[in-house]
Parts: sequence; structure tokens; C-alpha cells
Amino acid sequence: DAKTTQPNSMESNEEEPVHLPCNHSTISGTDYIHWYRQLPSQGPEYVIHGLTSNVNNRMASLAIAEDRKSSTLILHRATLRDAAVYYCILSNTGNQFYFGTGTSLTVIP
Amino acid sequence: EAEVAQSPRYKITEKSQAVAFWCDPISGHATLYWYRQILGQGPELLVQFQDESVVDDSQLPKDRFSAERLKGVDSTLKIQPAELGDSAMYLCASSLEAASNSPLHFGNGTRLTVT
Repeated sequence: DAKTTQPNSMESNEEEPVHLPCNHSTISGTDYIHWYRQLPSQGPEYVIHGLTSNVNNRMASLAIAEDRKSSTLILHRATLRDAAVYYCILSNTGNQFYFGTGTSLTVIP
Repeated sequence: EAEVAQSPRYKITEKSQAVAFWCDPISGHATLYWYRQILGQGPELLVQFQDESVVDDSQLPKDRFSAERLKGVDSTLKIQPAELGDSAMYLCASSLEAASNSPLHFGNGTRLTVT
């Protein structure tokens, strides 16, 4: 199972953009990059996913490096409700998802 | 929006007792997952079903854990006997298909405390 590396924690000021990095140097050509976030006492919530091209949705943007060995989740304007643990995960052809420890995002008012 | 249902929400049991968790995935979702999450860690995959068949149970402690999805819809995860180290959040997730671009949808989990 391909592994990802994320910083343990990050801080952001409210209403400013947040860039959450993820390294996945052993990614294979068919692995999708997924991002999930988890609020306390809740199950993880899907945020966004992509393969090669950058992706945008109502929650966030995903920027994927040209060599696909890294990616960045972008929250355009952080709110207090965005404080959560963010997981970057690679999914293989069998749709198996292996979570790491994620990045704990603190949003400062 | 459809949700993954899990019950019970909380469970306290004594060690050596049996305990069971239930999950009802989103209607039409063929793939179902059970994860265990210890406090402060990321979720750990225990078992993955495609319809009623087990796709991956390599991380399931089979001496005490069992999982079934008899009709390919809802699923039960059982622990017998429970040990103190089994205290954790047990999460169920489903996806439309076993394809790498099919997102997971999680329930809110069952918090198990073994005393």
C-alpha cells in the first residue's frame, strides 16, 4: 500500500487561505489521491480527489504536482468550522484506503 | 443526502464479553469497509467487502474478530472475547463501487469502551 507523508499539525488565521501539503513519492500510475477530514467524534468526511489534473469543488481545491509525487489541498478561506484532522490517502485499483495520522489544522480567530 | 447508519453509538462492555456492531451502508453501495480508530491515530482498515464477499481482511484479528455481510447490504462486526486493547472507535464506510475514484462515505462510528 502506497504511503503518504503529512505534517502533524498546521495553524491558519481565520479567513485566510490554507495550503495543506502531502508527499506520496511511491504513488503508482493508477492511484487516485483522496483527501478526507475528520471533526471530533465524527467519521471522516470526503473532501476531494483527483488523478493528474487539478480539481476544484465547493469545499476545496486540489493541486497535484506534475510528477504526482506530491499534492496540496487548498482551503480558500479558512473558517472555524474547518478545524479538523485532514487525511491525504492514495486509493489503488481495489479501492483500498489506508489512512496515516493526518494533519491537525487549527484555525485561529 | 443519504448516510451510512451505525449502531449503537456507544458501547461499554467488560473484557471477555462478546460485542457486536451494525452498519447499514448507503443504498446501492456495493463496497463496505470496517475501520478501527484508536484515539489520536488514523483509521485502520479491518475488512473490506464487495457485495457479500470479503475482498481484504488481512488486518482483521481473526482469532477474536469476525465480520459478515450476508445479503450484500448491511453488515455486522463482532468481537469475542473483547480485550482492553479493543477500546476504540469502530467506523463503517461504503462506496458505490470498488474503483479507485469512488469516494468513501463514513458513518459516525461506534465508540467501544472495554472495562
